Amino acid sequence: TQLLEQSPQFLSIQEGENLTVYCNSSSVFSSLQWYRQEPGEGPVLLVTVVTGGEVKKLKRLTFQFGDARKDSSLHITAAQPGDTGLYLCAGMNYGGSQGNLIFGKGTKLSVKP
Amino acid sequence: GAVVSQHPSWVICKSGTSVKIECRSLDFQATTMFWYRQFPKQSLMLMATSNEGSKATYEQGVEKDKFLINHASLTLSTLTVTSAHPEDSSFYICSARVTGGSNQPQHFGDGTRLSIL
Repeated sequence: TQLLEQSPQFLSIQEGENLTVYCNSSSVFSSLQWYRQEPGEGPVLLVTVVTGGEVKKLKRLTFQFGDARKDSSLHITAAQPGDTGLYLCAGMNYGGSQGNLIFGKGTKLSVKP
Repeated sequence: GAVVSQHPSWVICKSGTSVKIECRSLDFQATTMFWYRQFPKQSLMLMATSNEGSKATYEQGVEKDKFLINHASLTLSTLTVTSAHPEDSSFYICSARVTGGSNQPQHFGDGTRLSIL
């Protein structure tokens, strides 16, 4: 069974601080996706990383896929209250029979003004 | 962008009632749809994978007779929680994968909050 360990589970910081969320597995994934979820809503896709070592930037968010495609990180620079939410990583194996996503447990981020 | 509509968004009903939740892909075809369950402050847990025109594949521990899934068209999958009880109260979320292979993106609905009294 493939598992994704996401850390930290909870993070409370002040506006302007930087933070990093980690997603680790002992398994290799074909791709890894990061989502953000607001309370009472479905997850919204932020980015998909596919190539080992790949780095993608989305404004103040930087996503990296590990060289071995077993881990990923999300770094937020100068966090703002609007960044508050649940961040989820999810891995996928294209070769699987269903290609379903395997989700980490999520990181609940709270950015205080 | 691709939109997935989930209905209803919130339902409250008495114990013993059956509840049907719809998941529609509005502007794309989805051969495969996924149903998830999410408890408060927890991540999404895959319940079942729904394929158009065939039987759904359920994850270990999910009762197929309890959670009936129908995927009769390329744009609609339904989840029916039969004889719902308070322990079935949860946030149910569907996702639809663009037809074309397992590497196609999945798009999520906004979820259905189910409360059983």
